Amino acid sequence: QSALTQPASVSGSPGQSITISCTGTSSDVGGYNDVSWYQQHPGKAPKLMIFEVSNRPSGVSNRFSGSKSGNTASLTISGLQAEDEADYYCNSYTASSTYVFGTGTKVTVL
Amino acid sequence: QVQLVQSGAEVKRPGASVKVSCKASGYTFTSIYVHWVRQAPGQGLEWMGWINPKSGGTNYAQKFQGRVTMTRDTSVSTAYMDLGRLTSDDTAVYYCARGSGTYHSAADYWGQGTLVTVSS
Repeated sequence: QSALTQPASVSGSPGQSITISCTGTSSDVGGYNDVSWYQQHPGKAPKLMIFEVSNRPSGVSNRFSGSKSGNTASLTISGLQAEDEADYYCNSYTASSTYVFGTGTKVTVL
Repeated sequence: QVQLVQSGAEVKRPGASVKVSCKASGYTFTSIYVHWVRQAPGQGLEWMGWINPKSGGTNYAQKFQGRVTMTRDTSVSTAYMDLGRLTSDDTAVYYCARGSGTYHSAADYWGQGTLVTVSS
């Protein structure tokens, strides 16, 4: 199972909105609503930001939102803040009954 | 409060095995799956598999089939990940995480990570 494809880096200025894409196939992202997103700061464990495509866990800012269209899932961060600078990973269920992470995206706040 | 506490760092020789533990507290251990994820230095996240603590059922990534075994001891609310035939490519931080939600996959709580170093 190959990793899902994410852009290596995305940047934006404070207050702007950015979107991170996560492209797979009909055998993973496109075939299931079991897609989640994680934020990871250096040296820290990942943190769940979005699950089941668009659900936000309690305690996660509503500036984070998720969606899916076809084989591509997306994470949008609105009102970008300095604390949002981190690595972001998508994760999807697959037709093999396993899970696969995306390649990861480094978000830089300019 | 929910906590997952992992065992300490390990240094292993190539060809050896390593067993990492993940002790859960603050919730009913048998009600939520436990996933294992690893991250090599400077690299991305890699899903390894999950265990259903209630039944003991497991599902492993194809890459690790035959080399990984995930078990649990419900009497001490602890999950274990045993990885054999280690090579330098297995040097990584290994995380356990509980998988919540409809599909038992939303990893809402994570262990602190266990660094496994494979070196001769």
